[in-house]
Amino acid sequence: DTAVSQTPKYLVTQMGNDKSIKCEQNLGHDTMYWYKQDSKKFLKIMFSYNNKELIINETVPNRFSPKSPDKAHLNLHINSLELGDSAVYFCASSQTRDSYGYTFGSGTRLTVV
Amino acid sequence: AQKVTQAQTEISVVEKEDVTLDCVYETRDTTYYLFWYKQPPSGELVFLIRRNSFDEQNEISGRYSWNFQKSTSSFNFTITASQVVDSAVYFCALSSDRGSTLGRLYFGRGTQLTVWP
Repeated sequence: DTAVSQTPKYLVTQMGNDKSIKCEQNLGHDTMYWYKQDSKKFLKIMFSYNNKELIINETVPNRFSPKSPDKAHLNLHINSLELGDSAVYFCASSQTRDSYGYTFGSGTRLTVV
Repeated sequence: AQKVTQAQTEISVVEKEDVTLDCVYETRDTTYYLFWYKQPPSGELVFLIRRNSFDEQNEISGRYSWNFQKSTSSFNFTITASQVVDSAVYFCALSSDRGSTLGRLYFGRGTQLTVWP
């Protein structure tokens, strides 16, 4: 069983479209995250949820909206996609608040054309 | 502010050489955690190690070893007898328990390691 699974793995879409990336973890972790890896491979946090509560909201365009229906799921919805949104998006989860067991999903490569 | 610096952008070695990847961190917190991740060409992030700030013991796992020195704020990673399969981008990261940064990983910019046969 995959610990942190995200779908889809690849997403190619046109500018202006709206798309979602889904993430699920079966580790029983309390905290989930979205990270963005840009074309230079730099990884930066976007959002974090702890038990369905938003605790980190970095400076990202409000076209990006995370949603956590329960503590095992954290989805990322992106409106009005732009070329600059092309990146790899990683979901992650960790146990409690001491970054124990930090586990990443396999990533979603988003390409906006 | 939390910051991680990996000064080596790219390193190339020949198989069986030893290689050390440097990581220097900055934090004002007394409790923090340091990580290393491997990102092979397939793209996933593979967890290698997590070390808390109170444990300065060096760690060895097979051909991998880590040297944590608080005095120099460094957490270096050595691969002994490198292999082609070690070729990847390696990331060092830092997190702490302080309120506003809780759970957040601050990544270095990564070191691309290429091991030639």
